Amino acid sequence: DAGVIQSPRHEVTEMGQEVTLRCKPISGHDYLFWYRQTMMRGLELLIYFNNNVPIDDSGMPEDRFSAKMPNASFSTLKIQPSEPRDSAVYFCASSLWGARYEQYFGPGTRLTVT
Amino acid sequence: SQQGEEDPQALSIQEGENATMNCSYKTSINNLQWYRQNSGRGLVHLILIRSNEREKHSGRLRVTLDTSKKSSSLLITASRAADTASYFCATAIQGAQKLVFGQGTRLTINP
Repeated sequence: DAGVIQSPRHEVTEMGQEVTLRCKPISGHDYLFWYRQTMMRGLELLIYFNNNVPIDDSGMPEDRFSAKMPNASFSTLKIQPSEPRDSAVYFCASSLWGARYEQYFGPGTRLTVT
Repeated sequence: SQQGEEDPQALSIQEGENATMNCSYKTSINNLQWYRQNSGRGLVHLILIRSNEREKHSGRLRVTLDTSKKSSSLLITASRAADTASYFCATAIQGAQKLVFGQGTRLTINP
């Protein structure tokens, strides 16, 4: 398996622009997680899905952030409008029911908002 | 606030020595996991220990869990340069289906 795939790997955008991050989980995994990592706040869970349904979005910082999972093999995290404080590395991870606590992480998207 | 707190924040040792990292947490857990993150990469799962287990081994890794003290330790024996990375503990809290990660320990193995 190719593992969790994220795109783009790097994104540089100007404040106010819309940013869309993409994730393809490992085939057969039924949980998908979005995290954000910064030096100041560490690794934070933003939202997670089970069988394409959002279960917990309490970590989403504000209404500028939204996430969707239209099918089992694709998810997006959108920031609109973006702000400099959104600069971070965003990780997607997936896991399988039964071993759902063992998460497989993608390589991350490094977002820079100027 | 973070559920898991790692100690120390940074550790530098010579190749061949053992490295010990500690993790403390606040609430009751289902299990505790350790992950490794190489610079610029995603996290990689290393080992999981359930709340009813006290010790677990995997290759050069040894994990202990003391639920009465709400703490865990990760021991890496006979360290190698390739072990240089950040190590995170993550707790699966009872009643929740998500992991909460600590701030991590930055481990440097000097040749």
